[in-house]
Amino acid sequence: DIVMTQSPDSLAVSLGERATINCKSSQSVLYSSNNKNYLAWYQQKPRQPPKLLIYWASARESGVPDRFSGSGSGTDFTLTISSLQAEDVAVYYCHQYYTTQWTFGQGTRLEIK
Amino acid sequence: EVHLVESGGGLVKPGGSLRLSCAASGFSFSHAWMIWVRQAPGKGLQWVGRIKSKTDGGTADYAAPVKGRFTISRDDSEDTVYLQMNSLESDDTAVYYCQSSIHEPLFVDYWGQGTLVTVSS
Repeated sequence: DIVMTQSPDSLAVSLGERATINCKSSQSVLYSSNNKNYLAWYQQKPRQPPKLLIYWASARESGVPDRFSGSGSGTDFTLTISSLQAEDVAVYYCHQYYTTQWTFGQGTRLEIK
Repeated sequence: EVHLVESGGGLVKPGGSLRLSCAASGFSFSHAWMIWVRQAPGKGLQWVGRIKSKTDGGTADYAAPVKGRFTISRDDSEDTVYLQMNSLESDDTAVYYCQSSIHEPLFVDYWGQGTLVTVSS
């Protein structure tokens, strides 16, 4: 199985500041035949199911604010929130759907400083 | 409007069985890969398994901790996916979410609200 490792485990950022969450996969999730990275980012708030933010590593889901962006390729990926808002407090997960067994990162808890 | 509604959760003794259902509406169920994801209390998300659409072969794959004990099936005539869970252990205690996923041509991702399974004597 591909192991997804996120860093940091938790993060406190001031309102209006940038938040950066990293995700590293134990093997590449880039499919060479279509040049797509099989990597998504989810946001989960308490007592809610996860919400898709980013897919194909950098494509923003419809309706997701443009302060959220995804980048990276191969094994190293980043979720960036350009200007943190109060409603962004949540746990964020990266997720690979490249191999037969899909896997999630352990999650990063984002809080307001 | 899209709906995924899980049912069948509850309290079960170790070694017991339970079948979860997920009824879908509002999208093309037969084209979707259907996934089960679980979340133990206070923990992160864990992928449980997935069944492909019939056009993609209809096969199911499972995470190592549940392989051989859990079975995913689908009934496209009823727009429903099932998770049969046997030989349940305390570590299987979690909220179980149903997810639908279509990657091409458009990326589609829907989740249910989850159903709680508690394995305890």
